[in-house]
Amino acid sequence: DTEVTQTPKHLVMGMTNKKSLKCEQHMGHRAMYWYKQKAKKPPELMFVYSYEKLSINESVPSRFSPECPNSSLLNLHLHALQPEDSALYLCASSQPNARGSGEKLFFGSGTQLSVL
Amino acid sequence: AQSVTQPDIHITVSEGASLELRCNYSYGATPYLFWYVQSPGQGLQLLLKYFSGDTLVQGIKGFEAEFKRSQSSFNLRKPSVHWSDAAEYFCAVGGVNTGKLIFGQGTTLQVKP
Repeated sequence: DTEVTQTPKHLVMGMTNKKSLKCEQHMGHRAMYWYKQKAKKPPELMFVYSYEKLSINESVPSRFSPECPNSSLLNLHLHALQPEDSALYLCASSQPNARGSGEKLFFGSGTQLSVL
Repeated sequence: AQSVTQPDIHITVSEGASLELRCNYSYGATPYLFWYVQSPGQGLQLLLKYFSGDTLVQGIKGFEAEFKRSQSSFNLRKPSVHWSDAAEYFCAVGGVNTGKLIFGQGTTLQVKP
């Protein structure tokens, strides 16, 4: 299994809603990532989990709250979002200590989020 | 400063023609270099990667890239483009266990029949 699965594929939410994005991989990867991508722009790193611990937070607003319940799952909890948070949210995974693999990331298909 | 530059925002080629997408990078340590492709509304798929060794690397879908350290470049090539190659292409650079990829701005490839 070489897939990263993200649910839901599409999400529409109001600014007062609470929702969660989910990501799952069964490749045994021990690093997982959240990226945000606006239209016609490259992905921007939000968070990195390494061995289920948050290792990088790219100064993301607290209305985005990541969670890594186990080595296969990664969640992104959303609360009180703004319309400018509308974007494609991509999850990725990699094996951080595989010799010679660098940061070979496997990406999911993303969740297209619209905040009204 | 670490950065990736893709000089061409948009490229149009005829089906069957050859393709070269340019990528230049700036990275303080030994770079690990990648090319990813993204279809509309989809995630990114890894085309190929360079870590060390042979500077000409082969990837999926008939793509290849050449690492030129003296020019800080990692250009992507394909000898004959197919209509299904139309997509967004991203060059990226990273380091060992840094947990972070730096992406270029992307090049949109359009293929004419």
